[in-house]
Amino acid sequence: DTGVSQNPRHKITKRGQNVTFRCDPISEHNRLYWYRQTLGQGPEFLTYFQNEAQLEKSRLLSDRFSAERPKGSFSTLEIQRTEQGDSAMYLCASSFSRSSYNEQFFGPGTRLTVL
Amino acid sequence: GDSVTQMEGPVTLSEEAFLTINCTYTATGYPSLFWYVQYPGEGLQLLLKATKADDKGSNKGFEATYRKETTSFHLEKGSVQVSDSAVYFCALGAGGSYIPTFGRGTSLIVHP
Repeated sequence: DTGVSQNPRHKITKRGQNVTFRCDPISEHNRLYWYRQTLGQGPEFLTYFQNEAQLEKSRLLSDRFSAERPKGSFSTLEIQRTEQGDSAMYLCASSFSRSSYNEQFFGPGTRLTVL
Repeated sequence: GDSVTQMEGPVTLSEEAFLTINCTYTATGYPSLFWYVQYPGEGLQLLLKATKADDKGSNKGFEATYRKETTSFHLEKGSVQVSDSAVYFCALGAGGSYIPTFGRGTSLIVHP
């Protein structure tokens, strides 16, 4: 079990560019979550998938953000026309819906810096 | 809406000191309560949880008791180690979605 992995770990981009992040969950986990974390704050929920279906989206997820999980395994989070306010750590977590609590396992995050 | 308030850090302690990190919450209904820990350069890990009033969660020497009357879930450890240095997040989960609402986190620094 290699845990949840995220790539890249760091991304620096210029304002207006598009970026895409990838999350590979623990292989038997059917739920996958995206969060955003800014300095000095706790993670804020963005969206989650059960298998390939996107079941819930936060109001934080503007129309510049899109997430996919096409085969119910890895997921991508794309941010179009990045803004400086998008600079944050983007966290991915996965869980197995039939576990006793639905404990979420987090990846190390992708740190985005928008110049 | 649901919210979690934690004491601000950093909390700086010497090794073997007693630790308390305060956490209070606001929620409708009867939420589950959690403490997560984030070590430098790593993702969050679930440290302990409590799912109903008066439950005590415990793990790795850390404990927290779900106090409904004071809407609190304070984290305690009797003797901290340098390796406990990390950021600690209190969180609640309400309803059926199991999507936690996190506090802002409290940084703990333990000196030898």
